[in-house]
Amino acid sequence: AQSVSQHNHHVILSEAASLELGCNYSYGGTVNLFWYVQYPGQHLQLLLKYFSGDPLVKGIKGFEAEFIKSKFSFNLRKPSVQWSDTAEYFCAVNNQGGKLIFGQGTELSVKP
Amino acid sequence: GAGVSQSPSNKVTEKGKDVELRCDPISGHTALYWYRQSLGQGLEFLIYFQGNSAPDKSGLPSDRFSAERTGGSVSTLTIQRTQQEDSAVYLCASSIRQGGTGELFFGEGSRLTVL
Repeated sequence: AQSVSQHNHHVILSEAASLELGCNYSYGGTVNLFWYVQYPGQHLQLLLKYFSGDPLVKGIKGFEAEFIKSKFSFNLRKPSVQWSDTAEYFCAVNNQGGKLIFGQGTELSVKP
Repeated sequence: GAGVSQSPSNKVTEKGKDVELRCDPISGHTALYWYRQSLGQGLEFLIYFQGNSAPDKSGLPSDRFSAERTGGSVSTLTIQRTQQEDSAVYLCASSIRQGGTGELFFGEGSRLTVL
């Protein structure tokens, strides 16, 4: 069965620090990959997605993610975080069959 | 409507009672999902409706949980004989495309508390 694993439960950074959130999935076939974000008091929204092509995808607010097929990974990165990036981040994957499976989420706290 | 609408936003019930949670997806969206969000558990997939196809019910945790989608639009998630472990935020999402290639738009969720 498909599963998604996010390595970090809670990450605390200072502003301007670099961010990398890990995501690994277990599924051997073709997958679509996503990162969603939930800001405090708001609903989930799409940050970025990968379907095919360039494995380095860029999303909103300066976020990017790299798909490494050999490692079954889709890590999220940002060179310099801001206080406003404080949120919970969810990695998700589907196998083109429709069902979207989410990871446990990583809570990011950015100190001003 | 402009977004995915869920009701009620908050529901407190007694153990053993039945509850119904409603989701009104974005007009024209063919795919509809239900998830459960519990503290420290992330988003747990419950059920997925895609167009006129049979729903994917593989995530429903027990036979106390059921969902239907009428007329390809509004969906109702029903939990029978609620238990304290059912307490969570139940999220609905819709997507314009089937097959999981479209962005999911989430509602605000229905927070269920079972006493």
